[in-house]
Amino acid sequence: GAVVSQHPSWVICKSGTSVKIECRSLDFQATTMFWYRQFPKQSLMLMATSNEGSKATYEQGVEKDKFLINHASLTLSTLTVTSAHPEDSSFYICSATDPTGKNIQYFGAGTRLSVL
Amino acid sequence: GENVEQHPSTLSVQEGDSAVIKCTYSDSASNYFPWYKQELGKRPQLIIDIRSNVGEKKDQRIAVTLNKTAKHFSLHITETQPEDSAVYFCAASSQAGTALIFGKGTTLSVSS
Repeated sequence: GAVVSQHPSWVICKSGTSVKIECRSLDFQATTMFWYRQFPKQSLMLMATSNEGSKATYEQGVEKDKFLINHASLTLSTLTVTSAHPEDSSFYICSATDPTGKNIQYFGAGTRLSVL
Repeated sequence: GENVEQHPSTLSVQEGDSAVIKCTYSDSASNYFPWYKQELGKRPQLIIDIRSNVGEKKDQRIAVTLNKTAKHFSLHITETQPEDSAVYFCAASSQAGTALIFGKGTTLSVSS
């Protein structure tokens, strides 16, 4: 199946700093990617839909100025957590839909963010 | 928007027994229902999916059933093995290219 790469896998940062997470589709082009957040022992919560060449669509309750999403190419979407605080500590996972039109989503390996 | 309910939240079975996890969804426009298995700290892995034009699908020890009228779908795992222990998520989406809405997950524990 299609491969989605996510980097970094783990990051620790100080409160107030910004962190960028990359999501790449390695062997296919993804016009749409999705960003999810998962707190310990909880489900995946959709944060935003990343559209290549246009603005991301954010879910209700997700601050667009805090979670900046850029999808500048057909293979790369980035999520920047700005002015991170301890409550932003979570597991962030991206996904991309396969290009065959079957709507199968492939997930990145996730990024564990710890804000001190 | 779509809302997916999943039960039970935890499930403990003996090796060799069957396990059943059930989900309901709210949006009648949903037509794609995947199931994911997630091990601790890892990415969700698609294990089986079903679309609205099919009532049942089977892949070896795993099967999924869909009842569109009642808006529910179920995952069935037969002859469970310890390596089946993980968190299982159901999800739903309404059309190609749209995001998945996940259930809250079921922690399956298979004891030998």
